[in-house]
Amino acid sequence: DTGVSQDPRHKITKRGQNVTFRCDPISEHNRLYWYRQTLGQGPEFLTYFQNEAQLEKSRLLSDRFSAERPKGSFSTLEIQRTEQGDSAMYLCASSLALAGRTQETQYFGPGTRLLVL
Amino acid sequence: AQSVTQLGSHVSVSEGALVLLRCNYSSSVPPYLFWYVQYPNQGLQLLLKYTTGATLVKGINGFEAEFKKSETSFHLTKPSAHMSDAAEYFCAVIQENNDMRFGAGTRLTVKP
Repeated sequence: DTGVSQDPRHKITKRGQNVTFRCDPISEHNRLYWYRQTLGQGPEFLTYFQNEAQLEKSRLLSDRFSAERPKGSFSTLEIQRTEQGDSAMYLCASSLALAGRTQETQYFGPGTRLLVL
Repeated sequence: AQSVTQLGSHVSVSEGALVLLRCNYSSSVPPYLFWYVQYPNQGLQLLLKYTTGATLVKGINGFEAEFKKSETSFHLTKPSAHMSDAAEYFCAVIQENNDMRFGAGTRLTVKP
């Protein structure tokens, strides 16, 4: 399977705990995106990377959230001191950005569903 | 800023009937528009996209969408609904800074 993969698929944690999610993009894709989706809503953009550089961060991404893509391949999203409001589906997407083009198709992974008790 | 509005959070059709899911966008520049489908507890799957060129775009599973600049619309259609089409459908526009803005989604129910 050469699609976007995410791990874990489900995570249940207690309020105050830290959680980390992983995303493996399509291998040749240089851009990687994180989104959050709450029940009954469309995905909301959180952040994106071009290679290892984090180029954009939404104001939805509070100080408790941090994302990395250290080698320009997989990415991790960490949430510290989780709150019940963090319960959502966290989606990762990747794309191939070619020189001179900025609006390319994003391919999504299956998501990680987080439940904070 | 660009955004999309999906009219109707729920649409119900009979099997074999026409499917029409509405999407209107606002954009100050020529938009890139997308339709994604999401099945329960799964990620989003690309159905089709409009970038430039032909305004009638054909996608997977028999879906198509027409970009109408005069109406700022990008409605999704399928001539004959199948039970397997039951899912959540999202219209999206990609902004110049590369983040994608999604509509709130339309849940399609297909009755036998």
